[in-house]
Amino acid sequence: GQNIDQPTEMTATEGAIVQINCTYQTSGFNGLFWYQQHAGEAPTFLSYNVLDGLEEKGRFSSFLSRSKGYSYLLLKELQMKDSASYLCAVHQGGKLIFGQGTELSVKP
Amino acid sequence: ETGVTQSPTHLIKTRGQQVTLRCSSQSGHNTVSWYQQALGQGPQFIFQYYREEENGRGNFPPRFSGLQFPNYSSELNVNALELDDSALYLCASSSTGHEQYFGPGTRLTVT
Repeated sequence: GQNIDQPTEMTATEGAIVQINCTYQTSGFNGLFWYQQHAGEAPTFLSYNVLDGLEEKGRFSSFLSRSKGYSYLLLKELQMKDSASYLCAVHQGGKLIFGQGTELSVKP
Repeated sequence: ETGVTQSPTHLIKTRGQQVTLRCSSQSGHNTVSWYQQALGQGPQFIFQYYREEENGRGNFPPRFSGLQFPNYSSELNVNALELDDSALYLCASSSTGHEQYFGPGTRLTVT
């Protein structure tokens, strides 16, 4: 079967660091995406990991361990505008299999 | 802005009716995927079109069908609408099959 798990909700403080975890069990794996989605808007691309390790892009970093079926998204220096849903998605044969998303609330 | 457009933005239909949603892919992209996103959930893969042919389908009934045109734009058709079809419908275009660029979505409400 296909199973992707992420926490439903997280809260963090402006200026802090937050880590959003994602675990997956899928029948195929080509890579793992992270998307950000503000309410009522389309998902926007944040990162794509194919190989194990950490990918850093500005305030956002994403980590992948294929042997553990585990990824995380790290957001540094949180800003109020980072309040959004964060979607983990396994890339499998051209299609994306999404988790339910993690709703992040950034408080002042 | 991803360059992917969808129409209409919002739509209200009655149970049993049929609906057609449209998507224009980003220039140079030959692959279009459609997703259904219910409130509070992640998007669910419906199907994908590559060069006008269906190239993979998720766990959706046959009343969900699609087309891709020579200019790579695409349509999603849903027949015999049910209340549970109420959702945000997203299309995403790509060229290599890797990074997918999402359009703004069509919010469908079935009453």
